[in-house]
Amino acid sequence: RKEVEQDPGPFNVPEGATVAFNCTYSNSASQSFFWYRQDCRKEPKLLMSVYSSGNEDGRFTAQLNRASQYISLLIRDSKLSDSATYLCVVNRGGNKLVFGAGTILRVKS
Amino acid sequence: DVKVTQSSRYLVKRTGEKVFLECVQDMDHENMFWYRQDPGLGLRLIYFSYDVKMKEKGDIPEGYSVSREKKERFSLILESASTNQTSMYLCASRPFGSSNYGYTFGSGTRLTVV
Repeated sequence: RKEVEQDPGPFNVPEGATVAFNCTYSNSASQSFFWYRQDCRKEPKLLMSVYSSGNEDGRFTAQLNRASQYISLLIRDSKLSDSATYLCVVNRGGNKLVFGAGTILRVKS
Repeated sequence: DVKVTQSSRYLVKRTGEKVFLECVQDMDHENMFWYRQDPGLGLRLIYFSYDVKMKEKGDIPEGYSVSREKKERFSLILESASTNQTSMYLCASRPFGSSNYGYTFGSGTRLTVV
């Protein structure tokens, strides 16, 4: 079983839609959590950290459920420019981040 | 802006060659990392370093070694390149003791071994 699992998608949504991605992790000792965005043939870039109380950054909302060991990302009012691969990332400790394989989002006009 | 620079964007090497991938960061970060990214597998940690001359194995170190002689530079070495090392290689850095900070990545080196 992979340490971080994500639905690979692709999620094909129209502009303006709300879309949610989930991610599960297996190591209960994981300490911190992130969502990264990766555009085609580019490096991953930090989208947002995920805090226990949940956090929001504009159209993006991240949630963490430690009891169930899952993380979610909600994107509201999707834009064409949101099309990318979204990587769920977990800090397993010792400064080492573990990456999920990513969920592909395609926003269409 | 933190900048992580990888020396080559694309490389083609022959089987059995010794390959050096270079990474330089300009923000005095203690931690540096090498990952490879393959379709369906995501990013996998090869090696990391938390200080000059310090290194630790990641999840897939076989066939690789690293060198960190200066704080800003972290090199990945493929001792004898093989076709199964064809991949995208990503270097990243991060400050020490910052578990709530993500990494900053370089733009990647796409290595093809023929």
